[in-house]
Amino acid sequence: SQTIHQWPATLVQPVGSPLSLECTVEGTSNPNLYWYRQAAGRGLQLLFYSVGIGQISSEVPQNLSASRPQDRQFILSSKKLLLSDSGFYLCAWSFPSGGGYNEQFFGPGTRLTVL
Amino acid sequence: AQKVTQAQTEISVVEKEDVTLDCVYETRDTTYYLFWYKQPPSGELVFLIRRNSFDEQNEISGRYSWNFQKSTSSFNFTITASQVVDSAVYFCALSEARPGGGNKLTFGTGTQLKVEL
Repeated sequence: SQTIHQWPATLVQPVGSPLSLECTVEGTSNPNLYWYRQAAGRGLQLLFYSVGIGQISSEVPQNLSASRPQDRQFILSSKKLLLSDSGFYLCAWSFPSGGGYNEQFFGPGTRLTVL
Repeated sequence: AQKVTQAQTEISVVEKEDVTLDCVYETRDTTYYLFWYKQPPSGELVFLIRRNSFDEQNEISGRYSWNFQKSTSSFNFTITASQVVDSAVYFCALSEARPGGGNKLTFGTGTQLKVEL
C-alpha cells in the first residue's frame, strides 16, 4: 500500500527566514505530486504540481518554490518567509495519468506559523 | 474558471440525525470529476468518493450517500444516522486536467459538521 509522509508537522519561523518542507511517498512509482496551502477560513489552494523528476508547474505566483529531486520526494521552499506564508501546507499524490480523474491522497500536513 | 460553492459554513446536528451537505459547482468542461474529502481535527484530508460527469447514478456506501445532479450542477452528500465520529470539515472538489498531466482540484470552502450527543 502507499503512504505519504510530511515533515516537520509544525514549524514556527521568523519573517525573513528560509523554509524547507519535505514530502515523500512510498509504495508507488512516478506519482504525480502536489503542494496545497490551506489558509485560515479552510480554503485549499494548489501551489505546485509535478508529473516527474525535475518537472515543476506553478499555479500561483508567490514567495515559494518547489523541487522534485527524486521520484517520490517533493520539497517546498522559500528564501525569505513572509507573514502571509503562514498556513497549513498539504502534500498530495495521485497515480500518474492524465485526464483529470485521479483522486489525490493527502499527507498529514505541516502547520507553519510565521512571526 | 472552475468554482465550487459550499454555502453551508457550519452545521450542528444531534447524533442519529440525517444531514445533507450541499455542493454546487461551475465548469465549462464537458468531462469533469467531482470529489468529496473529509478533514478531521487532525488535519489530514481523507478521500471519500469520486464521481465523473458521465455517471449520474447516486451512490451509497454504508451511512454515506451522494446525489449527483448535472441539471442543477450539484453533488450533495448525505450522512444517515450521524455519529460523533462524523464531526469534521467536509470539502467538495472539482477536478481539472493540467497540461502535461496531473490534475488540479478546486476546493469549496468546506462545511464544518458538528455531531453532538
